[in-house]
Amino acid sequence: EPEVTQTPSHQVTQMGQEVILRCVPISNHLYFYWYRQILGQKVEFLVSFYNNEISEKSEIFDDQFSVERPDGSNFTLKIRSTKLEDSAMYFCASRLANTGELFFGEGSRLTVL
Amino acid sequence: SQQGEEDPQALSIQEGENATMNCSYKTSINNLQWYRQNSGRGLVHLILIRSNEREKHSGRLRVTLDTSKKSSSLLITASRAADTASYFCATAGGGGADGLTFGKGTHLIIQP
Repeated sequence: EPEVTQTPSHQVTQMGQEVILRCVPISNHLYFYWYRQILGQKVEFLVSFYNNEISEKSEIFDDQFSVERPDGSNFTLKIRSTKLEDSAMYFCASRLANTGELFFGEGSRLTVL
Repeated sequence: SQQGEEDPQALSIQEGENATMNCSYKTSINNLQWYRQNSGRGLVHLILIRSNEREKHSGRLRVTLDTSKKSSSLLITASRAADTASYFCATAGGGGADGLTFGKGTHLIIQP
């Protein structure tokens, strides 16, 4: 069964460092998303991406964040200068054009020290 | 405003019993979805109900939606130990907004 894959599964970084989280969405999906979940809290929407551009972003997704689809398969989330409060599980998701169902990856746990 | 608030926050029942979780939201929606998350894992889509639907079934799952009360319920019948997980409702906005808004979830424990 096709699935969304994310790497790395866990990354530890120092405050102020740049981090890139990678995702390979399901191949025939057209909409891509990043969400995050701080430990013990709700899943929060960060950004949606369609047709090679951001279609929607939340207040969390400030200038420190960026997304890119560098080729036909990868979808990346970059955090330019990490802060302690960026520590969270980051989930990538994708969906087909005509359904609302999201398919999530297993997540990348980011720990900022 | 808070969207997609589930209750109860935690629920513990015996295997074989039915589990009911509720979700309330504040703004207009296109659809409401339920997801399951096992500890430390990704979210798995369970069921989607559109704003013009009132009830939907999928296997042992039954979802209801009352748009006048801005609420939904998820019923899991004949629960199994493998149903132990956190369950989240998520709303898709009626204004064309693309991102889902998740609630805080209900942590369900099925006692064998």
